[in-house]
Amino acid sequence: NAGVMQNPRHLVRRRGQEARLRCSPMKGHSHVYWYRQLPEEGLKFMVYLQKENIIDESGMPKERFSAEFPKEGPSILRIQQVVRGDSAAYFCASSPGTGNSPLHFGNGTRLTVT
Amino acid sequence: QKEVEQDPGPLSVPEGAIVSLNCTYSNSAFQYFMWYRQYSRKGPELLMYTYSSGNKEDGRFTAQVDKSSKYISLFIRDSQPSDSATYLCAANNNDMRFGAGTRLTVKP
Repeated sequence: NAGVMQNPRHLVRRRGQEARLRCSPMKGHSHVYWYRQLPEEGLKFMVYLQKENIIDESGMPKERFSAEFPKEGPSILRIQQVVRGDSAAYFCASSPGTGNSPLHFGNGTRLTVT
Repeated sequence: QKEVEQDPGPLSVPEGAIVSLNCTYSNSAFQYFMWYRQYSRKGPELLMYTYSSGNKEDGRFTAQVDKSSKYISLFIRDSQPSDSATYLCAANNNDMRFGAGTRLTVKP
């Protein structure tokens, strides 16, 4: 049973380019969460999605960031016109969504903006 | 004030020591509590998952929740160098909140 799969593991972008991060949840999980982690800091919630719906995007910056979880395919976190401050590790987590099930995390995408 | 507070450490102990990691939380509505272990360059891995107050044991790991004082603890017995990692506590009530993580080093 494959875990949460994220790709790419490492992504380098120049300032102003777009970054697309992909996440395939665990089998049977229909809820996806995105978190950002800076060095020596904790996990910062960004967005919570179910299939075709954004449930909570209270942690997403108002501009340049968007997320989707289509009916078919992985969840995508998209960052437009990246800046150096976007450099971080981005983690995706999934859950079956029943009650207060714990989250299961992928190994993250490390974004470096040069 | 953060909803889940955790001392970031770092914490360094000799091999074989008993390790105590702690968190406090402010929201009394939290019912579910978790501990995650995160190795460098990896994602957080679920270690322990508990509901409400009480203890839960799994091998060398014991999770303890005291809802009256809003205190969460993780104890590691006979600590090993392979336990060296960052440990994150989390609390959930339809809205998960994480502590900042405590970096632990177990020296051989």
